Formats: sequence, C-alpha cells, structure tokens
Amino acid sequence: DQQVKQNSPSLSVQEGRISILNCDYTNSMFDYFLWYKKYPAEGPTFLISISSIKDKNEDGRFTVFLNKSAKHLSLHIVPSQPGDSAVYFCHCISSGSARQLTFGSGTQLTVLP
Amino acid sequence: DAGVIQSPRHEVTEMGQEVTLRCKPISGHDYLFWYRQTMMRGLELLIYFNNNVPIDDSGMPEDRFSAKMPNASFSTLKIQPSEPRDSAVYFCASSEQGPGGDIQYFGAGTRLSVL
Repeated sequence: DQQVKQNSPSLSVQEGRISILNCDYTNSMFDYFLWYKKYPAEGPTFLISISSIKDKNEDGRFTVFLNKSAKHLSLHIVPSQPGDSAVYFCHCISSGSARQLTFGSGTQLTVLP
Repeated sequence: DAGVIQSPRHEVTEMGQEVTLRCKPISGHDYLFWYRQTMMRGLELLIYFNNNVPIDDSGMPEDRFSAKMPNASFSTLKIQPSEPRDSAVYFCASSEQGPGGDIQYFGAGTRLSVL
C-alpha cells in the first residue's frame, strides 16, 4: 500500500518555464512534508519543506504548496534551469508517537535548454 | 563535517555471498536511516535507529537482511545470503533530534550488484 505517490515518473520542461511536480498522500497523520533533489551517483539533498500548519512555503525559485483537504502537495520551480534536471522525491512524515516517514517514488525532471 | 560517509561505493558479489555495507553518520545526529533505491519502488525505508536503538525495521525485506548500530558513529547493513534481486543502490542518512530535525542528510550510496 503506497501511502505516498508521485504519479509522474518523468517531466520535461523548457528552460525559463515553470516546472510543477506533484505528490499525493493517503495518511492523514502526515504533518511535515519535504522535497529532496537527487543527481545521478549522489545521495538526495534537502530542497524545501512545509509543515501542515501552512499552505505555502517559498525559497527563491522554489515554492511548495500544501492542500491538506486534498492530501496533495506540489513543488513549483520558476524559472526552471538546466541545472534543475534531477530526480525529485517528496517525503511525508508523521511526527506523532507512531512516527512514519515515507518517500514517494520520485519524478525525473528534465529542463531543456 | 564530511557528511554521511558510506563504504564501499560499489560492491559486486556473487549470489549466496555475504555483503556488508557501512555507514558513518554526521557527528551529533541521533537518527540513522537505511534506504534502498530501485527503479520499481523508488526510495524504500528499510530500518531506522534513534540513539543507536532500532526503532522501526518493518521495511527490512526478510531475514536475510540485518542492521546494527554498535555506537553513535557506525552502522552496518548486512545481507546474508545475497540474491540477484538485492541489486540496488543502498543509502544511509542521518538527522538531528529536535526542531528541524526531520531533514535527512544522505550519503552517496552503495551500488550493489549481485550476480
């Protein structure tokens, strides 16, 4: 049972345009959400996060949106750059006593010059 | 700090052999995680430790897999006997305790090939 789904395995975007990566979850106990970026032959690195008390968090070109009622979060990158080409994972965490940490399966973003 | 250090970076072994993967977390981090990445399943959490104690090992695929953390600066993931379907990239990550502690810092991974 996949509690966290990234339904798009891949996404191609033209340089300068907006990239939108999506993540859906089923566990209503998740209360903290993160996005990681992964380049080939490297480990994932933290990109941006949001807690369940917010619906938006922005850091430069990166913005994460959270829709709790829809159990959906998205990562917007604008403007997209070729260096953003990587695999993006969403990570959902429940911080209660029964702590759960679940990654999505990842989305390969390719930004075309 | 050098970050999370994993060894070896690559491991090629034959079916039935024992494989040991090693991890040194970032000093001061109280949580340590082992993940497996495959094309089909993405990043799967295998096990995690808090203060050297295993907290959740529900992701460990079967008894062939075992993990230990004898002290705060070292952990191992062992597969015995190894099988071709264990071929994957294995990541170790660590994180701090407390506010903001949910950000995990990953090692570069060990690419395991079981022939």
